Amino acid sequence: AQTVTQSQPEMSVQEAETVTLSCTYDTSESDYYLFWYKQPPSRQMILVIRQEAYKQQNATENRFSVNFQKAAKSFSLKISDSQLGDAAMYFCAYRSYSGYSTLTFGKGTMLLVSP
Amino acid sequence: GAGVSQSPSNKVTEKGKDVELRCDPISGHTALYWYRQSLGQGLEFLIYFQGNSAPDKSGLPSDRFSAERTGGSVSTLTIQRTQQEDSAVYLCASSLLSGNTGELFFGEGSRLTVL
Repeated sequence: AQTVTQSQPEMSVQEAETVTLSCTYDTSESDYYLFWYKQPPSRQMILVIRQEAYKQQNATENRFSVNFQKAAKSFSLKISDSQLGDAAMYFCAYRSYSGYSTLTFGKGTMLLVSP
Repeated sequence: GAGVSQSPSNKVTEKGKDVELRCDPISGHTALYWYRQSLGQGLEFLIYFQGNSAPDKSGLPSDRFSAERTGGSVSTLTIQRTQQEDSAVYLCASSLLSGNTGELFFGEGSRLTVL
């Protein structure tokens, strides 16, 4: 079974600064997806960024980028130019490449953003 | 609607009562998932429906929990004889299968409080 570990229960950053959230995972599969989801107080999980394991290039979405290290099974999220609206719980998640699979989530990292 | 819709948004019930939580997935999505999010915890997989196949019930915590999906669309999660430890946010998600990018689309969840 796959497991996802987020070792930082809480992180703090000041506006306009950069922060990195850590995630490691364990799997015996070679093809899979990795995700970062954001959960604001509204509770709805919002996809931040996605990475396919077969792609060597790190995914980037505007201020959000990942550092995907397949051999190390590491998938960190970097948020640049942090904004107050980035404050939320962030979840790292794994999904097998097969369409017949669910998402396995880490326990989350609460990101606090101060002015 | 355009997104995953869940109802009720909040439900308060007394210990021992039965509750039903409803999920209306995105039109055309063949896969539907239920997750439970307890305070301070990550997302715990409960059950997964995929097309017309038998559901994956491996995450249901006890036989008090059941779910059905009628007509391949709306799903109802039923919790019988509720206990205080059932208090949590219940999140529903849906996704495509063939040609999908692996992403799950989430509703805003149903917060269940058992007194």
